[in-house]
Amino acid sequence: SQQGEEDPQALSIQEGENATMNCSYKTSINNLQWYRQNSGRGLVHLILIRSNEREKHSGRLRVTLDTSKKSSSLLITASRAADTASYFCATDAYTGFQKLVFGTGTRLLVSP
Amino acid sequence: DTGVSQNPRHKITKRGQNVTFRCDPISEHNRLYWYRQTLGQGPEFLTYFQNEAQLEKSRLLSDRFSAERPKGSFSTLEIQRTEQGDSAMYLCASSLGTGIQPQHFGDGTRLSIL
Repeated sequence: SQQGEEDPQALSIQEGENATMNCSYKTSINNLQWYRQNSGRGLVHLILIRSNEREKHSGRLRVTLDTSKKSSSLLITASRAADTASYFCATDAYTGFQKLVFGTGTRLLVSP
Repeated sequence: DTGVSQNPRHKITKRGQNVTFRCDPISEHNRLYWYRQTLGQGPEFLTYFQNEAQLEKSRLLSDRFSAERPKGSFSTLEIQRTEQGDSAMYLCASSLGTGIQPQHFGDGTRLSIL
């Protein structure tokens, strides 16, 4: 079963614009991770944020985490056509090992 | 780092047949995971290995499914007596064995049941 929901399900923007995706989850977590998946390919890890962190940056990516609201957001700034992909959040309760529970994903289309 | 390798990339088979998929993780990774992904959904956890030991199995892994990781290197996932509902992308991931680590995914095996 999916842990959470991502919003929006699909997002279409122009190159250079920012893209924001939201993720809500249901249970307590140790960390939350974001992954990207290009069509027909495997997932690529983007960023990991621990439950005691509120914000994290990596290049053009900014992730926030609000454990009181059980939600996270991924912001991609100055988007490029190559950012076109599906983006998934994954929660990890880390009960001795990492068991990722993925959301339903946001499909991002960046047009040139 | 040659990445996680999965074979075959595509498998088409008739209902009732057995299929086996292979995953070669990144060489220094001792954690290995299998996931199943259906169209339009996120991956769902199937099973986890720490070296050669299978430490966790999802309820999704019915008795028709078996996974092995002999010698803690490559892993195989076998589905016996395939059913239409088994059609999905089967993803393998690996990670280092200490603490919280990102998982590295292969490109998956897409299974189609006729």
